Amino acid sequence: GENVEQHPSTLSVQEGDSAVIKCTYSDSASNYFPWYKQELGKRPQLIIDIRSNVGEKKDQRIAVTLNKTAKHFSLHITETQPEDSAVYFCAAGGAFKAAGNKLTFGGGTRVLVKP
Amino acid sequence: NAGVTQTPKFQVLKTGQSMTLQCAQDMNHNSMYWYRQDPGMGLRLIYYSASEGTTDKGEVPNGYNVSRLNKREFSLRLESAAPSQTSVYFCASSEGIQGNTEAFFGQGTRLTVV
Repeated sequence: GENVEQHPSTLSVQEGDSAVIKCTYSDSASNYFPWYKQELGKRPQLIIDIRSNVGEKKDQRIAVTLNKTAKHFSLHITETQPEDSAVYFCAAGGAFKAAGNKLTFGGGTRVLVKP
Repeated sequence: NAGVTQTPKFQVLKTGQSMTLQCAQDMNHNSMYWYRQDPGMGLRLIYYSASEGTTDKGEVPNGYNVSRLNKREFSLRLESAAPSQTSVYFCASSEGIQGNTEAFFGQGTRLTVV
């Protein structure tokens, strides 16, 4: 099955700096790569996703890149703000399985933006 | 449109007691999931149901059972609770059956086993 590794596990940045989180996946048939943000005490929520037919996607201060050959994808947050402090999860899914398949999550990255 | 609704939000159990966590979604999604999240943050998959009538084990299924009652509802049962099952439990659902669409999470159930 799919295995998703996420690094780093914690990341501390100064407000205004950039933050980068990296994930690798094992199943070359995976074709969907979402990123979730979980604020303290809240549920995880999707912030951006990318499919394997696209190499990069941007939404304001966040961007995701995908390298299918190397089987890794990254989340980039520019001009970080205190409200970006949260736990971020990457995930991979979409590999076909006759009985249906699941979305597999990475272990999470705790991001702290220091004012 | 409530999305994914979990009940209860909080629960305290004594060791050996049983309970069922309920989850319902109103988005006509095919897939449903149960995760646990221990202090420290990771989401670990307990069981999932890619479509109505099917269930599969995830990463940490021991001590749990599930029932996909219908397309809307997916319940998680702890037959004999243990302190190691103290955690926050999240139910999630997604439209696709191959893990290739956005997963929507419930608000979570905070379970303490004493």
